Amino acid sequence: EDKVVQSPLSLVVHEGDTVTLNCSYEVTNFRSLLWYKQEKKAPTFLFMLTSSGIEKKSGRLSSILDKKELFSILNITATQTGDSAVYLCAAVGGLGGGADGLTFGKGTHLIIQP
Amino acid sequence: EPEVTQTPSHQVTQMGQEVILRCVPISNHLYFYWYRQILGQKVEFLVSFYNNEISEKSEIFDDQFSVERPDGSNFTLKIRSTKLEDSAMYFCASSEAGVPYGYTFGSGTRLTVV
Repeated sequence: EDKVVQSPLSLVVHEGDTVTLNCSYEVTNFRSLLWYKQEKKAPTFLFMLTSSGIEKKSGRLSSILDKKELFSILNITATQTGDSAVYLCAAVGGLGGGADGLTFGKGTHLIIQP
Repeated sequence: EPEVTQTPSHQVTQMGQEVILRCVPISNHLYFYWYRQILGQKVEFLVSFYNNEISEKSEIFDDQFSVERPDGSNFTLKIRSTKLEDSAMYFCASSEAGVPYGYTFGSGTRLTVV
C-alpha cells in the first residue's frame, strides 16, 4: 500500500528557532515529492523535489530529497509566528493517488509561539 | 495572482440529497483534480480530469461521484446521494501541465451532510 508518513505530527517551538519536518514515502511509480503549507483552507505550494540531493531554497525555507532512503526534509530557519500552519508532504505517483494524483501525508502541525 | 475559485464555501445538505460542488480552474490550466479532506485526516485524491475525460480515479470515487466540465470554464463534482461519511472539505485543483509541475488548490468547499 502506498504511504507517505510525516513526523512529527505536531511541533511547538518559539519564534527564532529552527525546525526540521520529516517526510518518508513508499509509493509505486514515484515521480516527485511536493511540500505544501496549509494555513486555513487551501494548501499552497512550497517546493517540488525530483532529484536526489539537490536543495531547494525559498527565503528561510529549504528542502531536500533522498531517493535512496525515500525521505525528504523541510527546514525552516528563524521561524516567525506566520510560519504557523500545517505542512503537507505529498508524493506524485502511487496507486491510491493515480498516475498523476498526489498521495498526501497527514501533515505536521507547526505552532510558533512568540 | 491567478486563483482556483470554489463555490460554495460551505454547504449543508441532508443525507440522500444530491450536491454539486463547483470550481473555476485557472484559465490556461488543462489538468483538473478533486481532493477531499475529512476533518482531522489527510488529504485524499478523488479524481483527475484531462481532455474532457477522467484520467485517474481513486477507490473513493465510486458510482455516487461524477465530474463534469460543462462549459469550458467550470469543473464540477456531483455526489448523487450523499452519506454522512461524505462530510469533508473538498478541494479542487488545477495544473498547467500536470504533475509534477505542481497544482494550484482552491480554498475548498466544506460539505456537511446531516
